[in-house]
Amino acid sequence: AQSVAQPEDQVNVAEGNPLTVKCTYSVSGNPYLFWYVQYPNRGLQFLLKYITGDNLVKGSYGFEAEFNKSQTSFHLKKPSALVSDSALYFCAVRGFSSGSARQLTFGSGTQLTVLP
Amino acid sequence: GAGVSQTPSNKVTEKGKYVELRCDPISGHTALYWYRQSLGQGPEFLIYFQGTGAADDSGLPNDRFFAVRPEGSVSTLKIQRTERGDSAVYLCASSSMGLAGYHEQFFGPGTRLTVL
Repeated sequence: AQSVAQPEDQVNVAEGNPLTVKCTYSVSGNPYLFWYVQYPNRGLQFLLKYITGDNLVKGSYGFEAEFNKSQTSFHLKKPSALVSDSALYFCAVRGFSSGSARQLTFGSGTQLTVLP
Repeated sequence: GAGVSQTPSNKVTEKGKYVELRCDPISGHTALYWYRQSLGQGPEFLIYFQGTGAADDSGLPNDRFFAVRPEGSVSTLKIQRTERGDSAVYLCASSSMGLAGYHEQFFGPGTRLTVL
């Protein structure tokens, strides 16, 4: 079975400061990892993904994420937060072995609030 | 280009009634997924289609839930004898088909189902 943990329900950061949203995962074999963002009354928007290769992945809107296999983590980061980054962030995983389920398993989400 | 669309955006029904939720995926996307998102939770997988066939329906909670995709494009999620616990946002996602299945899923805005 695959699972995702987002240990923080809420993250507050001042505008202009760096932000980190944490994610750890459990999956058989190697993972495919994704970050999505959800604005109020909107669907999920894809931010970035890790498939293979460089452990630092760059995505939309200046976000990046670092894959750490030994710690089974995939934390989302941004060097300088904007008020408009305030939203609900979801980490998701699936395995890529031939027997892995194709669907994503999501974490419970982290509400990011960027304070002006 | 057009994204994933879902109709209706909101559906209010009475306990015991039948409802249908529609998803129109991105043109050319062969994979289609249904998820359910309860308040304060991440999306939970329901069913996955590859083309016209349900490749994995292991997430459907019980036999009141059924989904079809007869022509490999539009999909309909059907819920019989609705219960108050079915109240949630139902999300549809689609993705292009890769051999390893690592393509990101693109989500629709969701249908908010309320069962009174």
